[in-house]
Amino acid sequence: AQSVTQLGSHVSVSEGALVLLRCNYSSSVPPYLFWYVQYPNQGLQLLLKYTSAATLVKGINGFEAEFKKSETSFHLTKPSAHMSDAAEYFCAVSDRGAGGTSYGKLTFGQGTILTVHP
Amino acid sequence: DAGVIQSPRHEVTEMGQEVTLRCKPISGHDYLFWYRQTMMRGLELLIYFNNNVPIDDSGMPEDRFSAKMPNASFSTLKIQPSEPRDSAVYFCASSGPWTGGQETQYFGPGTRLLVL
Repeated sequence: AQSVTQLGSHVSVSEGALVLLRCNYSSSVPPYLFWYVQYPNQGLQLLLKYTSAATLVKGINGFEAEFKKSETSFHLTKPSAHMSDAAEYFCAVSDRGAGGTSYGKLTFGQGTILTVHP
Repeated sequence: DAGVIQSPRHEVTEMGQEVTLRCKPISGHDYLFWYRQTMMRGLELLIYFNNNVPIDDSGMPEDRFSAKMPNASFSTLKIQPSEPRDSAVYFCASSGPWTGGQETQYFGPGTRLLVL
């Protein structure tokens, strides 16, 4: 079974400061991991994903995440926060599925709301 | 591409009424998902389809919920009768073929449902 824990339901940073959103996972198979972002009144959109090609994954809008197997973590970072980064961020793990009709179902964390202060 | 389209964006109804939510997936995608998002339970997968066929409906909370996908470009999620605890944001998402579990799901803007 897969699970995701996001540490901190709310994170507040100043504009220009480092953003660090924490995600720890549990998976019975080598994990595929995702970060999605949800802006107010919108659906989720993919920021980045880890699919075992490289442990440091770069995504859109200057975000990146590092997969650390020893720590079962996939924390999301951005060196300098911008006001437009204010949103809710979700970490998710895929159970990979088995192909055909069996799809890689995503298990989402509870989300972290990022607030950026001027 | 217009992305995943959902309608209505907002729905307010009274307890006991039938509610129908609609989704048009991205053209060419063969997987379609229905999720529910609440403060208490977060984002939950209700059901998903592959090539218009329901594959896993283990997340559907009760028999009051039903979903159909009559063709590749349209799906509905119906709640009958609706109850106040069904109030939530319902998302539809679609994806292309299975590629080992690393597929990206594309989400619609959601339907915000309030049952009074």
